[in-house]
Amino acid sequence: GENVEQHPSTLSVQEGDSAVIKCTYSDSASNYFPWYKQELGKRPQLIIDIRSNVGEKKDQRIAVTLNKTAKHFSLHITETQPEDSAVYFCAASTNSGGYQKVTFGIGTKLQVIP
Amino acid sequence: EAQVTQNPRYLITVTGKKLTVTCSQNMNHEYMSWYRQDPGLGLRQIYYSMNVEVTDKGDVPEGYKVSRKEKRNFPLILESPSPNQTSLYFCASSFPGLRGNEQFFGPGTRLTVL
Repeated sequence: GENVEQHPSTLSVQEGDSAVIKCTYSDSASNYFPWYKQELGKRPQLIIDIRSNVGEKKDQRIAVTLNKTAKHFSLHITETQPEDSAVYFCAASTNSGGYQKVTFGIGTKLQVIP
Repeated sequence: EAQVTQNPRYLITVTGKKLTVTCSQNMNHEYMSWYRQDPGLGLRQIYYSMNVEVTDKGDVPEGYKVSRKEKRNFPLILESPSPNQTSLYFCASSFPGLRGNEQFFGPGTRLTVL
């Protein structure tokens, strides 16, 4: 089955700096890569996603890049703000028996220091 | 308002006492799933359902049961809970699709088994 590794597990940055979270996946058939943000005590919510036919996607201060050859994708947050502090999960989605099997990384706890 | 709801939100129980956590969505999603979240392990899938009366095991199904008699509801059943099932549980739903789609998560149920 799919295996998703996520690094780092914790990340502290100064407000205004950039943050980068990296994930690797094992199944070359994975074709959808969402990123979820989970604020303390809240549910995970999708912040950005990318499909396997796209190399990069950007939405304001967040961007995701995908390298299919290396089976690697990353989340980039620029000009970080205190409200970016949360746990971020990457995931890889693979077509399995007619439905999408989603495997999550272990999460990265991002702390933005004011 | 489009949403996924779970009940109860918090539950403390004792070993062996059967319990059910309910999950309901009002978005007409075919696909529903249960996850457990544990520190350092991320989100792990317990069971999923592709449609009414169609369910299958995820990555950590031992000790759990599910049913999908109606499209909107997907209850999680612990027939004989044990302390290692103490965790934070999330229900999620999405539209199906071979290319992957955003999952909408419920608010979570924090379960403690003594």
